Formats: sequence, C-alpha cells, structure tokens
Amino acid sequence: GAVVSQHPSWVICKSGTSVKIECRSLDFQATTMFWYRQFPKQSLMLMATSNEGSKATYEQGVEKDKFLINHASLTLSTLTVTSAHPEDSSFYICSAAGAGSYNSPLHFGNGTRLTVT
Amino acid sequence: AQKVTQAQTEISVVEKEDVTLDCVYETRDTTYYLFWYKQPPSGELVFLIRRNSFDEQNEISGRYSWNFQKSTSSFNFTITASQVVDSAVYFCALSEAGQAGTALIFGKGTTLSVSS
Repeated sequence: GAVVSQHPSWVICKSGTSVKIECRSLDFQATTMFWYRQFPKQSLMLMATSNEGSKATYEQGVEKDKFLINHASLTLSTLTVTSAHPEDSSFYICSAAGAGSYNSPLHFGNGTRLTVT
Repeated sequence: AQKVTQAQTEISVVEKEDVTLDCVYETRDTTYYLFWYKQPPSGELVFLIRRNSFDEQNEISGRYSWNFQKSTSSFNFTITASQVVDSAVYFCALSEAGQAGTALIFGKGTTLSVSS
C-alpha cells in the first residue's frame, strides 16, 4: 500500500535553533499534505494543510512564521520549526493524500518526536 | 462544525475480556468518512478501518468489529477476547468526503490497557 515516510523519527535541539522535518510520499503523488501536532496524552491537532505549489493554510492559533511549511514537490513537504522553544516539544506527524484519494484513507508518517532543551 | 467525542478516556480490562470503545460524531455533511486508528506507545498511527456515511453495515475483521449507527451518530469499536498487544491509544476520526485530501478531525482518544 501507499507509504508515507517521515524523517527524522526523533530530534533533540537547543532552544533558539531551527529544526526541519521531512514528509515524503513514497509511491504516490501527494497533492495535499497535512501536519498535525500531538502533545503528550492528547489528541492530534491539525496545524496546517499544504497543497503542492501553493502556500499552506494554517489553523487558527498556529503561527505561520514559526512553523514554516514548504510543499515544493508532489512527493515532499517539509515543516521547519524556527527558533524552537521548550514549549514546541511535541510529536509532529504528517499525512498525505493523492489526487482522487477521497475514497482512500489518508496515509500517515510515523511521526517525529521533537524535544527542545 | 465537525466534532468527534470519545467519552472514555481510559479503559482497563483483563485479557480475554471483550471491550467496546465508544465514538460519537457531529457533522452537517451528508457525505463523510469515519475512521479508527490505533496508536501504540511507539507513536505511529495504525489504520484500522474507514467507513463512509452511506455504508451502515457492521464490519468484522478478526477480533475487531465496528458498529456504525447514523441514527445515534455513533461508530463504536469492539475488541473481542482482548490481548495484551491490544494495549494502545485508539482514535476515532471524521473527515468530509467528496474532496480529495480532506483533513481528519480526531477525537481525544481512548487509552486501552489490557493486563494478563
């Protein structure tokens, strides 16, 4: 089946630095990618939706200047957490949907656990 | 607005017991999809089932079964003869249909602990 690869699976960074997370669709063209954030023992909350070649749409309360999303190709979307702070420590997970995929489940990456020290 | 409610925060059972995880949803759409995902401690989301709003047939897959009732806006998940490996967080989710790539709205999840 379709696979979404997310990298890295975990990362530890110092406060003030930036971290980039990659989300790749391995065997299909992802016209739309979604980024979710999950704090410990909480649900997955949608952060933003990105369509290939256009600007991402951010959910209310998500700082677009802090969480930079680039969806430059049909197989790759990146989330960059800029000037990370300890409160950004969380589990970030992406999902991807191909064209005409409304009859298929969205495919999720395995997530990235970010720890900011 | 769309909303998914999983009223059970945590459930603890002993192996071989049956357990039902509840899911109630709200949507104004007539066409939508419902999902269940399993999230083990490692964090990845494991897809379990997708059901569209026009298909109210119950589904059984091994020890798993799902009961979809539009009249009560519920999509409950039952594990029969639970096993320790079933211990995980289970999420119910909802999405609009008819559009490619619509985001899922997740419930808060139910943590299932199965002891031996």
